[in-house]
Amino acid sequence: GQQVMQIPQYQHVQEGEDFTTYCNSSTTLSNIQWYKQRPGGHPVFLIQLVKSGEVKKQKRLTFQFGEAKKNSSLHITATQTTDVGTYFCAGVGAAGNKLTFGGGTRVLVKP
Amino acid sequence: EAGVAQSPRYKIIEKRQSVAFWCNPISGHATLYWYQQILGQGPKLLIQFQNNGVVDDSQLPKDRFSAERLKGVDSTLKIQPAKLEDSAVYLCASSFGGWGRGFEQYFGPGTRLTVT
Repeated sequence: GQQVMQIPQYQHVQEGEDFTTYCNSSTTLSNIQWYKQRPGGHPVFLIQLVKSGEVKKQKRLTFQFGEAKKNSSLHITATQTTDVGTYFCAGVGAAGNKLTFGGGTRVLVKP
Repeated sequence: EAGVAQSPRYKIIEKRQSVAFWCNPISGHATLYWYQQILGQGPKLLIQFQNNGVVDDSQLPKDRFSAERLKGVDSTLKIQPAKLEDSAVYLCASSFGGWGRGFEQYFGPGTRLTVT
């Protein structure tokens, strides 16, 4: 079945630094979504990528969908303490009938 | 607009007991999902409804879990009997449409279940 892997599992970042988290699918995806879950909270939708090679920006966050539509990345610049949380990617299979979440990247920010 | 409502927020039961969770999605959202999130892991889809019909329940342990969505609005998820490994947060989510556009999911606060 479809598997979605995220690396790294944990990311310790100094405030002000940049980092990237990666998402890889075992199968080609029709689209991919990113969610953020604050400690003790529930996942909150960030963005959806649909087109091959698509790049979208939200302030300090840059999302990219791979050319083969099997991987994605989230890059955060100038990390702030408000960026603390777990970032999940969720891939929709090519048949468009199943959404699978990755294990998440837990981000900890050192002030 | 009001978000996805879930109750109870917390539940502690002993193994072999039964438990039920309730979810009220955002008004107008046709699609409703139940997820299980074990500590430190990503949400795992248990069941997806489109209106009051089941779209996907391939990962629902049907020997002990059941779910229904009467009248295509509220939904309940039941576990009977519960096992220790069912300890998790149960998240309900809804979306305006299914796959593709309008597929953004809105999650409720979740129910934290502890089985002792």
